[in-house]
Amino acid sequence: DIQLTQSPSFLSASVGDRVTITCRASQGISNYLAWYQQKPGKAPKLLIYAASTLQSGVPSRFSGSGSGTEFTLTISSLQPEDFATYYCQQLNSYGPLTFGGGTKVEIK
Amino acid sequence: EVQLLESGGDLVQPGGSLRLSCAASGFTFSSYGVSWVRQAPGKGLEWVSSISGGGDATYYTESVKGRFTVSRDNSRNTLYLQMNSLRADDTALYYCAKLMGRSAAISRGVDYWGQGTLVTVSS
Repeated sequence: DIQLTQSPSFLSASVGDRVTITCRASQGISNYLAWYQQKPGKAPKLLIYAASTLQSGVPSRFSGSGSGTEFTLTISSLQPEDFATYYCQQLNSYGPLTFGGGTKVEIK
Repeated sequence: EVQLLESGGDLVQPGGSLRLSCAASGFTFSSYGVSWVRQAPGKGLEWVSSISGGGDATYYTESVKGRFTVSRDNSRNTLYLQMNSLRADDTALYYCAKLMGRSAAISRGVDYWGQGTLVTVSS
């Protein structure tokens, strides 16, 4: 099974900060990686698919990059509504479509 | 508008069974793979199972193999998860999730999620 290691697991940042979250896969997954945002009591929301494609309606301050085993999600200027938990997911497996452990972004 | 509406969650005793349903609308159901994803209280997301658009391919996480069965009825636009031999660690909010593509194994992402149905396993 493909494992995803997401880091950091917790991040404290201020409004306006540039934030980067990393996701590492235990084996190559090409670009079959997605990023989601989840707020308390809500279902996850797709931000980025195919590693770097911005989902329709998602603000352009979110961006994704990477291929193979290393991926990043970047928020260029953190806004109050961005405080949430972020997850990566790999979708290149005839088996578990695993999620990373999550990164909780909190206000400094 | 795409909608996924889960139902069937309940309080059940260890060893018991439940069947979850997910009613889909707003898209051509048979053209897309769908997944079940769960989230235990205060924990992260855990992928549980996926089924291809035609229902011919299914996948499960190791901890539910032999206990859970995913199926779909494309004539009713409905996804199911039959859950047997339930354990306390199956307690979670179960989400239905639409994959971007027909495959259950290779996809670009999950573009729509339901609001979840709560399964509690306790005596």
